[in-house]
Amino acid sequence: GAGVSQSPSNKVTEKGKDVELRCDPISGHTALYWYRQSLGQGLEFLIYFQGNSAPDKSGLPSDRFSAERTGGSVSTLTIQRTQQEDSAVYLCASSAFDSFEQYFGPGTRLTVT
Amino acid sequence: GQQLNQSPQSMFIQEGEDVSMNCTSSSIFNTWLWYKQDPGEGPVLLIALYKAGELTSNGRLTAQFGITRKDSFLNISASIPSDVGIYFCAGQLLSPAGDMRFGAGTRLTVKP
Repeated sequence: GAGVSQSPSNKVTEKGKDVELRCDPISGHTALYWYRQSLGQGLEFLIYFQGNSAPDKSGLPSDRFSAERTGGSVSTLTIQRTQQEDSAVYLCASSAFDSFEQYFGPGTRLTVT
Repeated sequence: GQQLNQSPQSMFIQEGEDVSMNCTSSSIFNTWLWYKQDPGEGPVLLIALYKAGELTSNGRLTAQFGITRKDSFLNISASIPSDVGIYFCAGQLLSPAGDMRFGAGTRLTVKP
């Protein structure tokens, strides 16, 4: 069956530009997560959506980062005025309601030059 | 910051050997999960644990949820070259909902 998909797979952008990263969760999954993974590091929690509830934005590192989830499905992570330290792999995961088992997409590798 | 201490950071073993890695925390977790990440891909769920003391196997993998709820281990028996990758533990805190914490990962190298 279809898993979590993310696009683009790779993104190279110039410092100061805005970028949008997209996540399509598994159909029917109500929870959606965004994480950031720097080279050789673990996963840093960014934001969590559950159904129509207000998202948990506690992991967003600055106000340059924002995320939306439209219609309870697709999500977009936006990074404004990108900085070199934003370079990382951005991973999206989804889970079914009342389940803690998160299923990850392949990630978007962001490089800020 | 992260509240999970995962060890070892890396392991170099011979094919056929058994492997053990663990995660500890000062916090109590509701759920423990173990993931494997191959290069260029997202983490893949290996085992999920829901009860203190629970011991669960998935093929050559065995994981346990510590009785104190503050630790978990993962064992891999008779390692093979395709076991190479980074293994992450993840714990769901008792509250708030959605707050999953990840360990820094154990990088496993298996020599044929």
